Amino acid sequence: GQNIDQPTEMTATEGAIVQINCTYQTSGFNGLFWYQQHAGEAPTFLSYNVLDGLEEKGRFSSFLSRSKGYSYLLLKELQMKDSASYLCAVREGAAGNKLTFGGGTRVLVKP
Amino acid sequence: DADVTQTPRNRITKTGKRIMLECSQTKGHDRMYWYRQDPGLGLRLIYYSFDVKDINKGEISDGYSVSRQAQAKFSLSLESAIPNQTALYFCATSDFALPNTQYFGPGTRLTVL
Repeated sequence: GQNIDQPTEMTATEGAIVQINCTYQTSGFNGLFWYQQHAGEAPTFLSYNVLDGLEEKGRFSSFLSRSKGYSYLLLKELQMKDSASYLCAVREGAAGNKLTFGGGTRVLVKP
Repeated sequence: DADVTQTPRNRITKTGKRIMLECSQTKGHDRMYWYRQDPGLGLRLIYYSFDVKDINKGEISDGYSVSRQAQAKFSLSLESAIPNQTALYFCATSDFALPNTQYFGPGTRLTVL
């Protein structure tokens, strides 16, 4: 089984940077995913890490440390449209593409 | 047109009723999933299917059943709905050859009174 923890809520100012942490415990790690979900809408894929290090994609970056069971999603130059929930999900190697999701972090961007 | 569709989008029903939620996809993916989402609990996997003849229970399958009628269709049934099954339900798909993401449908909001 897996245990995935992320903060419930974060608030940041437009133009600033926010870092959302995710810690996990798993028996067979095979990838960590970040999804964005606006209220009432479907989750959409943001990033995927399977090796240690930083993956950068425009204003969003995701970092992974497998030895620490730790990831973060970094959102730079925050825009009002970035107000959403951000879901951390872990894939186990023996379970194909079955993901286990954390509870999500709701980010509120203020002017 | 959306690649993953769900019907209905909203449903209100009463305790004890049988409900079916349907999911269709035009992405040609072999893998399909049903999740429910409750506030603060994230997405929890109900059932998943890696092909038409493969059905697997997720972490919260009790009270639910599924049918994979075709590669493109995966339906979720609540045989006798109860109020704690009130939730937002999402269908998702992924491809065996490109497993690094799942694509979600728009969701079905189900309320059981």
